[in-house]
Amino acid sequence: NAGVTQTPKFRILKIGQSMTLQCTQDMNHNYMYWYRQDPGMGLKLIYYSVGAGITDKGEVPNGYNVSRSTTEDFPLRLELAAPSQTSVYFCASRPGTGNTEAFFGQGTRLTVV
Amino acid sequence: GQQVMQIPQYQHVQEGEDFTTYCNSSTTLSNIQWYKQRPGGHPVFLIQLVKSGEVKKQKRLTFQFGEAKKNSSLHITATQTTDVGTYFCAGQTNAGKSTFGDGTTLTVKP
Repeated sequence: NAGVTQTPKFRILKIGQSMTLQCTQDMNHNYMYWYRQDPGMGLKLIYYSVGAGITDKGEVPNGYNVSRSTTEDFPLRLELAAPSQTSVYFCASRPGTGNTEAFFGQGTRLTVV
Repeated sequence: GQQVMQIPQYQHVQEGEDFTTYCNSSTTLSNIQWYKQRPGGHPVFLIQLVKSGEVKKQKRLTFQFGEAKKNSSLHITATQTTDVGTYFCAGQTNAGKSTFGDGTTLTVKP
């Protein structure tokens, strides 16, 4: 059981480039989340999804887009990368609301130069 | 929007001393969860509190959920070097949205 898998682990982008951060979970969880964590800071919610075909904005959605075409996958798209998007990105999933813990991926460390 | 505040931001203790971190939400929560993140790692789930006034213990860790379900605390008795890391609370609403506090980073001097 792989849990939550994020790719890539590291990436360097130039300003203005775009990329997609991949997130896959094999636990059949309905809820999936994308967070960013700046150095020494907490986790800020970018987008979340409560099921396939349903997504919603979190606290810091600007500059990002998501899609949820399947239960397993929740990719995060960065268009026109900016230095302010330099961060560590974590994907997480949980079965649903209520008494459930979130399982996190290993993170993607992104640097925009 | 929902805000979750956590204090202190940093705590340095001598091994064997106690440690407490506090979490306050701007809105009433359906539940609160606590996570630990080791340096360079990802958050790992510790516990979830659901009921008003709930207290749970895990060995040297004691977790409390306030009566109004807007605040929580994590207390570690007699810290050890293995306790180092950042402790996050995450408040969840009925809509499934989960908001993390900024965390308390604990360092333990042996």
